[in-house]
Amino acid sequence: AQSVTQPDIHITVSEGASLELRCNYSYGATPYLFWYVQSPGQGLQLLLKYFSGDTLVQGIKGFEAEFKRSQSSFNLRKPSVHWSDAAEYFCAVGAGNQFYFGTGTSLTVIP
Amino acid sequence: DGGITQSPKYLFRKEGQNVTLSCEQNLNHDAMYWYRQDPGQGLRLIYYSQIVNDFQKGDIAEGYSVSREKKESFPLTVTSAQKNPTAFYLCASSIDRLGTYGYTFGSGTRLTVV
Repeated sequence: AQSVTQPDIHITVSEGASLELRCNYSYGATPYLFWYVQSPGQGLQLLLKYFSGDTLVQGIKGFEAEFKRSQSSFNLRKPSVHWSDAAEYFCAVGAGNQFYFGTGTSLTVIP
Repeated sequence: DGGITQSPKYLFRKEGQNVTLSCEQNLNHDAMYWYRQDPGQGLRLIYYSQIVNDFQKGDIAEGYSVSREKKESFPLTVTSAQKNPTAFYLCASSIDRLGTYGYTFGSGTRLTVV
């Protein structure tokens, strides 16, 4: 069965430090891949998406993600985290006629 | 600007009452979805609709009902049969019926039972 795994429930980083949020998926073919961000009490906002082509995709707010087929991963990265990046991050996969969300990673940014 | 509007932002329900959450989109998207979000449980699909006048149950449909009489509207009714309705509810839409190109989300409705 298809699935999306975000192994880190919660991550704490210092402001200015680099960030990597992990996402692994289980699907036979190459799916469509997404990262969303959710601020407290708000809906989900699309950060970036991968459909095909260049495996390194750029998104909004300085985020990027790299698709690695061999590892079935789509990790989200940011070189320097800002305090405003504190939020919940969701990886999602479009596969076949279904759409799957990971359980989310909560990011805390400390001064 | 196109988007999804959910109303109200906050809703309080008494025990035994039905309440309806509104979701309207002006994106001309084919499909619409309702998700429930509880702390630590991610997003769980309640109902979805791929075309007007048709909808399908998701993973946690019990105690909820929906309608899709217009393409732009997909209201969710939380009935008295839903035993634990306190949660954050998110409406979403996708440009295609399968949703594989991603979703656009509304800003959510927080429902509290009082």
